[in-house]
Amino acid sequence: GQSLEQPSEVTAVEGAIVQINCTYQTSGFYGLSWYQQHDGGAPTFLSYNALDGLEETGRFSSFLSRSDSYGYLLLQELQMKDSASYFCAVRTNAGKSTFGDGTTLTVKP
Amino acid sequence: NAGVTQTPKFRVLKTGQSMTLLCAQDMNHEYMYWYRQDPGMGLRLIHYSVGEGTTAKGEVPDGYNVSRLKKQNFLLGLESAAPSQTSVYFCASSESQGRGQFFGPGTRLTVL
Repeated sequence: GQSLEQPSEVTAVEGAIVQINCTYQTSGFYGLSWYQQHDGGAPTFLSYNALDGLEETGRFSSFLSRSDSYGYLLLQELQMKDSASYFCAVRTNAGKSTFGDGTTLTVKP
Repeated sequence: NAGVTQTPKFRVLKTGQSMTLLCAQDMNHEYMYWYRQDPGMGLRLIHYSVGEGTTAKGEVPDGYNVSRLKKQNFLLGLESAAPSQTSVYFCASSESQGRGQFFGPGTRLTVL
């Protein structure tokens, strides 16, 4: 089966940089995705890594190390609207994904 | 282009009743998924489909059935609802080699 671990809560101030880590155990690893979910809303796709290294999309970056079964999401220039839950998800070669329990990010002024 | 839509948005059932949740996508995606999300938790995969006419079990399939008769639709059925099935249900779709999944707005289901 698959299992993922990520911190349950992270707090940071506006304008700061925050890193949300994700470690995983899985068979048939295909890629690691990140999603954002605001309270009462649906998850929205942020980024995806299939190969080792850093992927940058605006203020958000995601990193993957396949050998360490580890990845992280980096959020720069934090804004109040970034307060949300962030989920990492492992995609397997069978086409399905397993989600972590999520990290609640609180951005303070 | 509506993306992923779900019907209904809210529903209250009594224990033992049955219902069907409908998911539709207009992005021509091959893969479709049904998840449930309980308060403060991540998403748990119920069933998924890698193409029209195919379905497979996820992590928590018991008490649910699915059908994918058309590529754009994925139906989730509750055979005999139980209070433990009170949850928010999300449908999602993706390309077969896609990088991420696109989610519908969710269905809030309460079973009394």
